[in-house]
Amino acid sequence: GAVVSQHPSWVICKSGTSVKIECRSLDFQATTMFWYRQFPKQSLMLMATSNEGSKATYEQGVEKDKFLINHASLTLSTLTVTSAHPEDSSFYICSGVAGAGETQYFGPGTRLLVL
Amino acid sequence: SQQGEEDPQALSIQEGENATMNCSYKTSINNLQWYRQNSGRGLVHLILIRSNEREKHSGRLRVTLDTSKKSSSLLITASRAADTASYFCATETSGSRLTFGEGTQLTVNP
Repeated sequence: GAVVSQHPSWVICKSGTSVKIECRSLDFQATTMFWYRQFPKQSLMLMATSNEGSKATYEQGVEKDKFLINHASLTLSTLTVTSAHPEDSSFYICSGVAGAGETQYFGPGTRLLVL
Repeated sequence: SQQGEEDPQALSIQEGENATMNCSYKTSINNLQWYRQNSGRGLVHLILIRSNEREKHSGRLRVTLDTSKKSSSLLITASRAADTASYFCATETSGSRLTFGEGTQLTVNP
């Protein structure tokens, strides 16, 4: 199956700093990538959809100025959590879809802890 | 209620038994997918069933879809301890966007 990687796998940062998470499709071109957030013992919540070369579409309630998404190439999307606060601590997961495919291939996730 | 509700929330069975998880949703869908997540890990895609399909098999997995009742079930036969994980259903409505259910935590005891 298609492989998606995320970097870093975990990060601890101080409140007020910005954190960048990378999502890469390793063996396919991801025309669309998705970013999810998952709090402990909860389901995945879609944050935004990004298409290569265009602005991301954010879900209701997700601050686009706080969660900056860039999808500069068909194999890389980045999520930057700006001015992170403890309530941003969560598990962030990305996924990619190849072309008009139906299946999303998920990355292993990035655990963010904001102190 | 949210799109993609699952029951039970938690299920504990003995190795060798079958495990059945259910998922209900509210809106029309293109397809419904089941994923597995081991604790603290990413999601693994298990099976996709399209809205015009009623049943699908993959190895020890059997998925059914009843669009009239807006529900789906995932059956894992002859369970193994390694099947212990959280299982999520996800519905695709448009543009590949997925809405996930709350998940079922399955524990298979050796």
